[in-house]
Amino acid sequence: EAQVTQNPRYLITVTGKKLTVTCSQNMNHEYMSWYRQDPGLGLRQIYYSMNVEVTDKGDVPEGYKVSRKEKRNFPLILESPSPNQTSLYFCASSLTGDTQYFGPGTRLTVL
Amino acid sequence: QKEVEQNSGPLSVPEGAIASLNCTYSDRVSQSFFWYRQYSGKSPELIMSIYSNGDKEDGRFTAQLNKASQYVSLLIRDSQPSDSATYLCAVIYTGGFKTIFGAGTRLFVKA
Repeated sequence: EAQVTQNPRYLITVTGKKLTVTCSQNMNHEYMSWYRQDPGLGLRQIYYSMNVEVTDKGDVPEGYKVSRKEKRNFPLILESPSPNQTSLYFCASSLTGDTQYFGPGTRLTVL
Repeated sequence: QKEVEQNSGPLSVPEGAIASLNCTYSDRVSQSFFWYRQYSGKSPELIMSIYSNGDKEDGRFTAQLNKASQYVSLLIRDSQPSDSATYLCAVIYTGGFKTIFGAGTRLFVKA
């Protein structure tokens, strides 16, 4: 089944404790992206990648890191999480950079 | 700052009516336009994409794009209670994968 998977689906952590949210797609898509979704603000792009080793900032990259060492994986790293990073996170992938297929989401709470 | 604006709603229509959802964007360099539907607690899924001026129809859905006026709309004919969801307008900008989403319009279809 073609899909985008994210892990974990739910995470509660404390301020300053480094964490990684994994994203993997099995569709051989070139493009991948991370978003956060907050009430009233919609989806905001954090980082995106147009190919292996090619990443660029979205609208809200501060406090986040990404890497794209292989086509199928695009992990999101929070080196020192803070409470304002409490949010619902979505990973998405796209074959040609238009239609995006979203993962199921990761709900992160930073205490 | 690139922006995509949507009326947050809620928009309430009776079953069988036409629902009209609107979206405006700020940057004329915009290339691709999308409507996603998001049910509560779920991830966004694509309904329609549109790339050139005019109308594009797919079943009960029609997307309309007017680049001169910088707006894109979605019409849902014969609205059904199952259409009740949040509708997200998205714009991808020329030359990359930078994606801006509107905050979404909540639609309620009353049986």
